[in-house]
Amino acid sequence: EVQLSESGGGLVQPGGSLRLPCAASGFTFSSFVMAWVRQAPGKGLEWVSTISRSDGSTYYADSVKGRFTISRDNSKNTLYLQMNSLRVEDTAVYYCAKDDGGVVLTAIDSWGQGTLVTVSS
Amino acid sequence: QSALTQPASVSGSPGQSITISCTGTSSVVGSNNLVSWYQQHPGKAPKLLILEGSKRPSRVSNRFSGSKSGNTASLTISGLQADDEADYYCCSYAGSSTLGVIFGGGTKLTVL
Repeated sequence: EVQLSESGGGLVQPGGSLRLPCAASGFTFSSFVMAWVRQAPGKGLEWVSTISRSDGSTYYADSVKGRFTISRDNSKNTLYLQMNSLRVEDTAVYYCAKDDGGVVLTAIDSWGQGTLVTVSS
Repeated sequence: QSALTQPASVSGSPGQSITISCTGTSSVVGSNNLVSWYQQHPGKAPKLLILEGSKRPSRVSNRFSGSKSGNTASLTISGLQADDEADYYCCSYAGSSTLGVIFGGGTKLTVL
């Protein structure tokens, strides 16, 4: 069974940093495109970032480009999101997400339970 | 990025069928068959219902079906059940410029 488990969320002041790990199990982690998707309180889903399965190519939404960094450690089956220069509008539940098997992110067949990041003074 | 437009809300009675639309552009939705649909109950993570426009994962009920016409994708739920009451999101591959995805704003389904 595929399992994705995020951690690292919490309360942080504007301008601060957080690192979100996502532990993956139940599948060959290195063979799948992975991503982060967020959901602000009471709002819809927003794609944040994607990392390729092999060469580590990364892609970001304009709203986080230059501030967030996605990475993966295939030896530890772990996905990361480093968030710097956090803003109030980054407040959201952050979901770790697994693609269904394509070369690029097209459909998310597994989601973590989410971790809440609150940016507030 | 182009937006995907969904109705804010739809409703139906148990046993009825409803359809949720998702309108994009010729470059998003119209140019490929990479639309997916997700169901999200309050406080829960989203769940994949449909991928590649009309393909249904084996664990998903055949009451859920997807289709596309031009720049509009659609999700149809037949034989409505109380547990279908949830938020539904469409999603499309955003193209080679971003290599990300774009989500619709979501539709709240109320089962009367």
